[in-house]
Amino acid sequence: GNSVTQMEGPVTLSEEAFLTINCTYTATGYPSLFWYVQYPGEGLQLLLKATKADDKGSNKGFEATYRKETTSFHLEKGSVQVSDSAVYFCALGSGYALNFGKGTSLLVTP
Amino acid sequence: GAVVSQHPSWVICKSGTSVKIECRSLDFQATTMFWYRQFPKQSLMLMATSNEGSKATYEQGVEKDKFLINHASLTLSTLTVTSAHPEDSSFYICSATAQKSSTDTQYFGPGTRLTVL
Repeated sequence: GNSVTQMEGPVTLSEEAFLTINCTYTATGYPSLFWYVQYPGEGLQLLLKATKADDKGSNKGFEATYRKETTSFHLEKGSVQVSDSAVYFCALGSGYALNFGKGTSLLVTP
Repeated sequence: GAVVSQHPSWVICKSGTSVKIECRSLDFQATTMFWYRQFPKQSLMLMATSNEGSKATYEQGVEKDKFLINHASLTLSTLTVTSAHPEDSSFYICSATAQKSSTDTQYFGPGTRLTVL
């Protein structure tokens, strides 16, 4: 079946540091891949997505590339800000269903 | 942007009672709503998918008689946990979509924390 594995947190970084959150997946067929972000007290929001191999999703300085050969969709940002502190979820989509990773908590300190 | 609300945000109930959780799409009509359950430090697990005016489709292992889902209008879906027990304590999250074919238009509510004593 489909599944997603993402790195465990929490991740603590200083402002302007480089961020990588690893995500790997197992899937049959050709799923879409997503990163969702959940800010404190709010619902999950779509951060970026990629629908086929080698696609790069990007938004708000975050990027992730759909790598079929390594079954990965790692999230990166070159310079994090305090406002990026949140929980990040990697997800795999096939039809309606979304399979989520466990989430990675990110704390960015000034 | 599209907003989904949930009510209540936190509920505590006694074992054996039933609890209803509401999920509303505030500024769009949701043809499909989803209910997820999240345990501490675990991923979101899809419980069921509901389309307005029809019966919900439950995921394998989810008890239909335990978790009653009603999607009576295009802006409201309810999840009723019947005869709740401590093992039902969890974080319940709904999402809604206005489209029928794309997973990336799911808008999520902030979640409801249920504690059963």
